[in-house]
Amino acid sequence: AQSVTQLGSHVSVSEGALVLLRCNYSSSVPPYLFWYVQYPNQGLQLLLKYTSAATLVKGINGFEAEFKKSETSFHLTKPSAHMSDAAEYFCAVSAGAQTSGSRLTFGEGTQLTVNP
Amino acid sequence: GAGVSQTPSNKVTEKGKYVELRCDPISGHTALYWYRQSLGQGPEFLIYFQGTGAADDSGLPNDRFFAVRPEGSVSTLKIQRTERGDSAVYLCASSLTGRGRDEQFFGPGTRLTVL
Repeated sequence: AQSVTQLGSHVSVSEGALVLLRCNYSSSVPPYLFWYVQYPNQGLQLLLKYTSAATLVKGINGFEAEFKKSETSFHLTKPSAHMSDAAEYFCAVSAGAQTSGSRLTFGEGTQLTVNP
Repeated sequence: GAGVSQTPSNKVTEKGKYVELRCDPISGHTALYWYRQSLGQGPEFLIYFQGTGAADDSGLPNDRFFAVRPEGSVSTLKIQRTERGDSAVYLCASSLTGRGRDEQFFGPGTRLTVL
């Protein structure tokens, strides 16, 4: 079984400041990990994913995340926030290589606000 | 190319009524997923299709919920005897092969309101 915990349902940063959104996972098998972004009234869009290759993953819009097995974490970062980054962010886990057709288990989401 | 589309975008119904929600996945994607997202929550898995068959329906909450994908493309989620607690955004996603590492592409969702 898999689960995801996102620490902080709301995060507020100033424009130009570092963005850090936290995600911890639990998985009985090596996981695949994903970050999705959801803008108001839009579908979920993939930012980046970890699939057991490089532990530091770069995604779209300047976001990146680092897989740390020892900490069971996959935190999302961006060096400098932009107003357009304001959205809801979801971390998700799937069962990994041992299971095909694996469903995603999502965290509860973090709402990011960017202040001018 | 076209993404995942869902119809209707909004559906308002009365308690006890029957509703159908449609999903049109990306052409060529063999895997199709349904999720439900309640207000302030992350999406929750309902059912996964590989081709025409339901490979995992363990997320369906009860027997009022049913889904089909008869030709391996379009899918319909059917809810009988709707209850107020069914109100949520129903999301559909598709992926190329259904492997755990594949990106799932999401549609915009259908917002269901049960009065």
